[in-house]
Amino acid sequence: DGGITQSPKYLFRKEGQNVTLSCEQNLNHDAMYWYRQDPGQGLRLIYYSQIVNDFQKGDIAEGYSVSREKKESFPLTVTSAQKNPTAFYLCASSIGRGHDTEAFFGQGTRLTVV
Amino acid sequence: GENVEQHPSTLSVQEGDSAVIKCTYSDSASNYFPWYKQELGKRPQLIIDIRSNVGEKKDQRIAVTLNKTAKHFSLHITETQPEDSAVYFCAGFKGSGYALNFGKGTSLLVTP
Repeated sequence: DGGITQSPKYLFRKEGQNVTLSCEQNLNHDAMYWYRQDPGQGLRLIYYSQIVNDFQKGDIAEGYSVSREKKESFPLTVTSAQKNPTAFYLCASSIGRGHDTEAFFGQGTRLTVV
Repeated sequence: GENVEQHPSTLSVQEGDSAVIKCTYSDSASNYFPWYKQELGKRPQLIIDIRSNVGEKKDQRIAVTLNKTAKHFSLHITETQPEDSAVYFCAGFKGSGYALNFGKGTSLLVTP
């Protein structure tokens, strides 16, 4: 079954802790993205990666970190420096080449700080 | 990055009526404009897209129009049905090396 998978679906974090969200795809896509979704805020770009071992900051990268050691995987770490981490996080991937490219989304991870 | 503005933020129509959602973008280098639908609790999914060399595209009850000069594009849904109720996002894209920039979304409610 091809697609993009995020885990876990729900995640609880204590204040001051780092937490890592998983994103895996078997679509052979070069590009992967992390978005944060808050009510009324749309989808805001955190980080994106066009190729293995390379990634760029998005509009709201502060307090987050990523790695792209494998083409299939793009984990997101929410660090203790992120002051308001409670949100719905969406990972996406696309072919990454050319001028028009459909992004496929994972089912999301809902992170709650307790 | 690219700034994509989307209006309205909420839209309520009666079943059978048409719905129109409008977006504007700031970067003239943007050349691909997809629309995503996100049902409650689910992931966003592409419903239609348009490229900058095309002015209009239609797929059954949905259509998208693009005005490059004015830098705006619109989603049109005709003969709306209750299952069209969802949040719709527009986006702009400049090409390889960039990411999709999304609008803030429109919550569409279709009442029977």
